[in-house]
Amino acid sequence: ETGVTQTPRHLVMGMTNKKSLKCEQHLGHNAMYWYKQSAKKPLELMFVYSLEERVENNSVPSRFSPECPNSSHLFLHLHTLQPEDSALYLCASSQGGSADTQYFGPGTRLTVL
Amino acid sequence: TQLLEQSPQFLSIQEGENLTVYCNSSSVFSSLQWYRQEPGEGPVLLVTVVTGGEVKKLKRLTFQFGDARKDSSLHITAAQPGDTGLYLCAVGPGGSYIPTFGRGTSLIVHP
Repeated sequence: ETGVTQTPRHLVMGMTNKKSLKCEQHLGHNAMYWYKQSAKKPLELMFVYSLEERVENNSVPSRFSPECPNSSHLFLHLHTLQPEDSALYLCASSQGGSADTQYFGPGTRLTVL
Repeated sequence: TQLLEQSPQFLSIQEGENLTVYCNSSSVFSSLQWYRQEPGEGPVLLVTVVTGGEVKKLKRLTFQFGDARKDSSLHITAAQPGDTGLYLCAVGPGGSYIPTFGRGTSLIVHP
């Protein structure tokens, strides 16, 4: 248990569906992150939120829409995805500022049919 | 060009063997982290090194931060099947909020 939970753990969706991934951190951190990890590829940073404000959007397609309603919760809303979007989506949190350590959730394994 | 270069990319060894994996950069860092990721799970922090020349031990794992704080190594003694996983080095996010990960070393330890 790292103090970061993600739901669902597995998700299968069609290209026309709309779904959301949820992340919750119980560590009192003030920064949260979404990553995409595809097979045999390095971790790709998608979004960064600090104090509920988006500070980085790494040229992610608009079919991915993040939401950070408070410092403990982070969502990734998905719509009209493509099969190449199938991947492990990881959420992480950190204390932010000068702190360097990230704590990851277990991930959501997404399959787009 | 990757900020952090990890080598080797893949490693397949027998139980009981020793191994070393590397994380190199041309940049200087205030600290560096090592993570292990098992298939289908998120990365789990193993250690953070902050001082040039620092050596940290975690059971059979020995981590070293280079004197110039540009590189790091992870040595595993008498590897076990439970050590199987993807070993990632990372720096940041620090004040920029932008962390950087290496591509990782995928280790398989055969019984």
